[in-house]
Amino acid sequence: QVQLVQSGAEVKKPGASVKVSCKASGYTFTGYYMHWVRQAPGQGLEWMGWINPNSGGTNYAQKFQGWVTMTRDTSISTAYMELSRLRSDDTAVYYCARVAEYSGYDFVYWGQGTLVTVSS
Amino acid sequence: EIVLTQSPGTLSLSPGERATLSCRASQSVSSSYLAWYQQKPGQAPRLLIYGASSRATGIPDRFSGSGSGTDFTLTISRLEPEDFAVYYCQQYGSSPPTYTFGQGTKLEIK
Repeated sequence: QVQLVQSGAEVKKPGASVKVSCKASGYTFTGYYMHWVRQAPGQGLEWMGWINPNSGGTNYAQKFQGWVTMTRDTSISTAYMELSRLRSDDTAVYYCARVAEYSGYDFVYWGQGTLVTVSS
Repeated sequence: EIVLTQSPGTLSLSPGERATLSCRASQSVSSSYLAWYQQKPGQAPRLLIYGASSRATGIPDRFSGSGSGTDFTLTISRLEPEDFAVYYCQQYGSSPPTYTFGQGTKLEIK
């Protein structure tokens, strides 16, 4: 079965960077884009972008361009999301997500989420 | 960029009642690209409906989706206690490729 397992919670100071990992199993890692979605406390869902694990190509939401970097290591079926120049309003749960086999537009598989807290 | 507006913000109903949640898009959305999710506290979202009206695997048939163009609806025919949660609509836009979520509707027990 498809599983996405994310790294643990992080506490960072403003201005620092954070790198969250997402290890995939149960399917061919290079066969599906990996997306990242974040959710601030008590707020809605915000799509950040995707990485094509096959080519390494990326597509970032405009808001995050120049600020987020998505990478992958195919040898260990793991995707990474790095956010730099952290601010307090980057405090959120960060999810990796994968689309369904039957459509490329719906997120059917989700990681458990990684809480990133930005505080001085 | 397409904006999705969900209404109401909060819906208070009792178990056994019918729930109707709305998602309105600022521009026309292809039905193929409209999905609905349920999220409970401390959990990742769960896909309920894709392609505006198709139920995802394992989703009970009391959940149904409808709509086209700019107006979409999620209906829960008869609320069960486990249905009280936050619901989000989401669309995919191809130019440029982006994914957008609505702000959510909280379905609470009356």
